[in-house]
Amino acid sequence: LAKTTQPISMDSYEGQEVNITCSHNNIATNDYITWYQQFPSQGPRFIIQGYKTKVTNEVASLFIPADRKSSTLSLPRVSLSDTAVYYCLVGESTDKLIFGTGTRLQVFP
Amino acid sequence: GAVVSQHPSWVICKSGTSVKIECRSLDFQATTMFWYRQFPKQSLMLMATSNEGSKATYEQGVEKDKFLINHASLTLSTLTVTSAHPEDSSFYICSAPAGPASINYEQYFGPGTRLTVT
Repeated sequence: LAKTTQPISMDSYEGQEVNITCSHNNIATNDYITWYQQFPSQGPRFIIQGYKTKVTNEVASLFIPADRKSSTLSLPRVSLSDTAVYYCLVGESTDKLIFGTGTRLQVFP
Repeated sequence: GAVVSQHPSWVICKSGTSVKIECRSLDFQATTMFWYRQFPKQSLMLMATSNEGSKATYEQGVEKDKFLINHASLTLSTLTVTSAHPEDSSFYICSAPAGPASINYEQYFGPGTRLTVT
């Protein structure tokens, strides 16, 4: 199971773009990269998933370089409601997920 | 999208009693489910893998006799905290891998159960 490393915390202001980078040097060939968001006292919620290059959905973009040893979650124009903990996870679909520390994003007005 | 529910959402029990937490996949089948525990301001910690029709697999350091897991059907896994103590107070979360109908290879998480042992 690939281990991930993320910044512990980040601060931003409303309307700004936030980029959170995750390092996963030991990613395996069959591993996907998935990002989850968690609000206090709630279960994690799926944000985006990718295998390589760039993936975009209505919520975020995920950039994955060719070597796949890192990935960057990009949140465009954050709002106060984006204040949460963001987890980067690497694994196959049915794998048990080992959560790292996550990144605590605080958005200020 | 697929939903995973947990019941109860919160529970308070006395020290020494047992508490059962249910995790259900509402519109898909899950042969495997996962149980996590989360203490305040900390990350999720995987406790065990629940396997339908067979024994659960516990992570190192998790007492299998204290945290009983039963995966009785393809949509239900239960976690029973036996002889609960105040240090077992935590937020318990379950998850299940998305089925083949999902376009993503993700896991669906339940809303969590807040256990407080007095």
